[in-house]
Amino acid sequence: KNQVEQSPQSLIILEGKNCTLQCNYTVSPFSNLRWYKQDTGRGPVSLTIMTFSENTKSNGRYTATLDADTKQSSLHITASQLSDSASYICVVNTDKLIFGTGTRLQVFP
Amino acid sequence: GAVVSQHPSWVICKSGTSVKIECRSLDFQATTMFWYRQFPKQSLMLMATSNEGSKATYEQGVEKDKFLINHASLTLSTLTVTSAHPEDSSFYICSASRASGGPTVNEQFFGPGTRLTVL
Repeated sequence: KNQVEQSPQSLIILEGKNCTLQCNYTVSPFSNLRWYKQDTGRGPVSLTIMTFSENTKSNGRYTATLDADTKQSSLHITASQLSDSASYICVVNTDKLIFGTGTRLQVFP
Repeated sequence: GAVVSQHPSWVICKSGTSVKIECRSLDFQATTMFWYRQFPKQSLMLMATSNEGSKATYEQGVEKDKFLINHASLTLSTLTVTSAHPEDSSFYICSASRASGGPTVNEQFFGPGTRLTVL
């Protein structure tokens, strides 16, 4: 069964700190893996997209990694800001998008 | 580029009425549009996939007669929730895939969502 699991479910950090979100997947065949940011009451916005051959990709303060052998990905957020408070969703593309349940990040001043 | 809009952003309706939600790709042509539903603290669940000019493909468990999808042009798809009931209250999100051109072909761009509350 195609599944995407994320951890932690929720995370609270102080402004300025770094954090790392995890994503494990059991999806086949694998096309690409995406990280999305979803603000409350809004649609998801793409942060990064990685194919099988890519190990890391950055988008500003967001850096995603992918280990296709262990089927794990991480999203690292550097120097967090209050506006980073949102849900972060890991999505694996096979013949359709398989969504993880997300990590709810709250950044406090 | 690759902006998707939805209208309305929120709607409240009485039980038994029908509600139409529009999804538009503003600056690109979308061969395929997708409709998702998201309940609180849950992930997006794909309801159906629609290609311009053809019938939508519904996911298992989604009633096609209740959730009517029309994809009449390369920039517009509509979802009509017929005879809505309180259990249909949810956050409905559409996405669109670019028809051609550039590295983002087949990537899904999401709309901002529509909050439906059925009283």
